[in-house]
Amino acid sequence: TQLLEQSPQFLSIQEGENLTVYCNSSSVFSSLQWYRQEPGEGPVLLVTVVTGGEVKKLKRLTFQFGDARKDSSLHITAAQPGDTGLYLCAGRGGDHNAGNMLTFGGGTRLMVKP
Amino acid sequence: GAVVSQHPSWVICKSGTSVKIECRSLDFQATTMFWYRQFPKQSLMLMATSNEGSKATYEQGVEKDKFLINHASLTLSTLTVTSAHPEDSSFYICSAADRASLDIQYFGAGTRLSVL
Repeated sequence: TQLLEQSPQFLSIQEGENLTVYCNSSSVFSSLQWYRQEPGEGPVLLVTVVTGGEVKKLKRLTFQFGDARKDSSLHITAAQPGDTGLYLCAGRGGDHNAGNMLTFGGGTRLMVKP
Repeated sequence: GAVVSQHPSWVICKSGTSVKIECRSLDFQATTMFWYRQFPKQSLMLMATSNEGSKATYEQGVEKDKFLINHASLTLSTLTVTSAHPEDSSFYICSAADRASLDIQYFGAGTRLSVL
């Protein structure tokens, strides 16, 4: 059982559409990160959210941390083909996780068609 | 930003041979390095955590005698897959945490291992 559940697992949309990816857990995390990974590459950090209710924007990407610090969402506005990739959420310091380790969600594979 | 170099990026080996993967922090001292395994279209699964100068801590289900980890210096950790078998074929990724900022992990580009 994944400690962090991501949904949807796969998403195929047309260029210009909006989308939201969810990351949910029953555990409370001290912080949560979102990564984007392209095939054959390591994950690249997009954002870290720390405070419950926090919202961060990165150009067309909006990240939100839930008030209870158990869930997060990533919203992409006007998606572009360059947004295609695997999006991973990762929580630090969850109930089942002592120390500094990251626990990754199952990932959301996004394909944006031109 | 901090850079983590992983080598090789791709390796093909015969069943029964051993393969060593290197992970280097290029511009910072990594007190802690992490090794992950990622199967196709799946997420990253932590295999082990290594602290410089001490034995690695392995996650449940990961055989420490099969996946040998050495973190002998603050800039280098190695993962050796001993007596590799086809089921060990996977994408292996390392990350490193800076002594000054343990909350941030910098990821390598990964190593794709194919065991024939």
